[in-house]
Amino acid sequence: KAGVTQTPRYLIKTRGQQVTLSCSPISGHRSVSWYQQTPGQGLQFLFEYFSETQRNKGNFPGRFSGRQFSNSRSEMNVSTLELGDSALYLCASSFDSGASSYEQYFGPGTRLTVT
Amino acid sequence: GIQVEQSPPDLILQEGANSTLRCNFSDSVNNLQWFHQNPWGQLINLFYIPSGTKQNGRLSATTVATERYSLLYISSSQTTDSGVYFCAGAGGDYKLSFGAGTTVTVRA
Repeated sequence: KAGVTQTPRYLIKTRGQQVTLSCSPISGHRSVSWYQQTPGQGLQFLFEYFSETQRNKGNFPGRFSGRQFSNSRSEMNVSTLELGDSALYLCASSFDSGASSYEQYFGPGTRLTVT
Repeated sequence: GIQVEQSPPDLILQEGANSTLRCNFSDSVNNLQWFHQNPWGQLINLFYIPSGTKQNGRLSATTVATERYSLLYISSSQTTDSGVYFCAGAGGDYKLSFGAGTTVTVRA
């Protein structure tokens, strides 16, 4: 089974621009979560989508948004980019069977640099 | 959210040595995972272990859920074990909270 894929792998943007990152989950997984990793803040939860609905949200400004499509693929968007948005963005997918917990599997990440 | 404390922050080992990494949680977790981050940034799943003990080759993990901690054991370490190890936990909201990581360096 193919793993979680993320595109693009690397991205360089200018302050003030916007960016869209894409994530394709493992086949059959309906939950997709996004995380941001920076040297200063470590790994932080952004949001989680399940069946096209945002189910959980972390403490990030409204410039960070996401969506999920009917095939479970997800995109996240960052508008009005700031230098501090430079980070590794990781996507994870899970097979949510309705149990109280489930294992998350991560993609290779998208490394975003804002100049 | 759940606070996760990992120790030690850095670990330097001689090849062949054994080591223990620890993870403490501020609250009960339904999901507890250990990861190894490869040099390209990808998080590789090591264990999904909300409770109990699991082993996979030279690695094993134990979670004592009632006392809110988990341990990762590396035995007979090899240079390929070098890297950053993360533990992460989530309560009923499924948001994984990560520790700051333990950087392991194994010297030949």
